[in-house]
Amino acid sequence: TQLLKQSPQFLSIQEGENLTVYCNSSSVFSSLQWYRQEPGEGPVLLVTVVTGGEVKKLKRLTFQFGDARKDSSLHITAAQPGDTGLYLCAGAHYTNAGKSTFGDGTTLTVKP
Amino acid sequence: NAGVTQTPKFQVLKTGQSMTLQCAQDMNHEYMSWYRQDPGMGLRLIHYSVGAGITDQGEVPNGYNVSRSTTEDFPLRLLSAAPSQTSVYFCASSFPNSPLHFGNGTRLTVT
Repeated sequence: TQLLKQSPQFLSIQEGENLTVYCNSSSVFSSLQWYRQEPGEGPVLLVTVVTGGEVKKLKRLTFQFGDARKDSSLHITAAQPGDTGLYLCAGAHYTNAGKSTFGDGTTLTVKP
Repeated sequence: NAGVTQTPKFQVLKTGQSMTLQCAQDMNHEYMSWYRQDPGMGLRLIHYSVGAGITDQGEVPNGYNVSRSTTEDFPLRLLSAAPSQTSVYFCASSFPNSPLHFGNGTRLTVT
């Protein structure tokens, strides 16, 4: 059962373009995290969102948590080659020992 | 600044062999977990632990055993390796209801 669906699965863009990655679920989460993973390394946390409707900004990255806490989006403005990587969303339930459920990832390639 | 340390980084096994993937964290995290990552399937939870002496199954536990005798260590055992267990394995740790800290993974190939 795929509880978290990410789209698109692959994205290849030119430097300077904007992009949005989506993370959708039919389940409500207590919190949702976005991670970034580079080849040969483990995922690294970018942000946690916990409140419905919450918007967080991290330099050129904007994260939004849906009002119903079932979905989230990641928007990157003026993408750079250094943004290349695998982006993963993960949802957690506080009543479920904090276990995280991961989406299947979005592989982003930013060409110079 | 060790964080989560996984060993080995690479391993090749023959079908039927056994091995243990090691995971250690130095952040005094109560929660530890093992995930496997396969192309197009994201990270799937194998086993997890909310404290020393306590373990439970995740989404894909078959073929894997775990134990948690100390807060720091959470080894993953493959008793009889199968080609379907070829994957990249990640160990993670966290405080309760907090984001995960991951190791750099063990790439396992079973022939």
